[in-house]
Amino acid sequence: QKEVEQNSGPLSVPEGAIASLNCTYSDRGSQSFFWYRQYSGKSPELIMSIYSNGDKEDGRFTAQLNKASQYVSLLIRDSQPSDSATYLCAVCDRDDKIIFGKGTRLHILP
Amino acid sequence: DVKVTQSSRYLVKRTGEKVFLECVQDMDHENMFWYRQDPGLGLRLIYFSYDVKMKEKGDIPEGYSVSREKKERFSLILESASTNQTSMYLCASSLNPPDTQYFGPGTRLTVL
Repeated sequence: QKEVEQNSGPLSVPEGAIASLNCTYSDRGSQSFFWYRQYSGKSPELIMSIYSNGDKEDGRFTAQLNKASQYVSLLIRDSQPSDSATYLCAVCDRDDKIIFGKGTRLHILP
Repeated sequence: DVKVTQSSRYLVKRTGEKVFLECVQDMDHENMFWYRQDPGLGLRLIYFSYDVKMKEKGDIPEGYSVSREKKERFSLILESASTNQTSMYLCASSLNPPDTQYFGPGTRLTVL
């Protein structure tokens, strides 16, 4: 059974600090990786996608991928209260099937 | 911008009723998906479709069926609703299987 693992949290981070969210996956043949943000009662929305090893930056968000370690992370710089949400990691496995983690709840402390 | 719409935001049905949840996307996406989301269990794939009139079972298809008669529309059917089908139902679409999935706003279904 292919899996995507995330710490459920809650992860509490002071406003203005860096929030670091982590995700591991089991299928070494996975090729595409996604981070979604989901506010309570709302549907997931895409924050970033990453396909190759290394870092990808978009504004305050940086996705990091390490395929050798089967690890993908999301860094949020200058965290804001509006960043408080559940963050879902999603991985497209070798069979082109998207597998979602259960999400990490992030709480930014004002 | 991709837009995925779902027929209802909130729905209350009685046990044994037949329930239709409809999803429409406006970006000519090939792939459409139905998930349910429950606290502690995350997103679970019910059914998906890679083409018109094509459907594939996901991880939890029991008690559900789907219909895709047109490319833009993917319907989820609960043949005989049960209380354990009370959940948030999310529809998504994507251009190709490995690509980003875009989600609709969700339907919160309560079965009494």
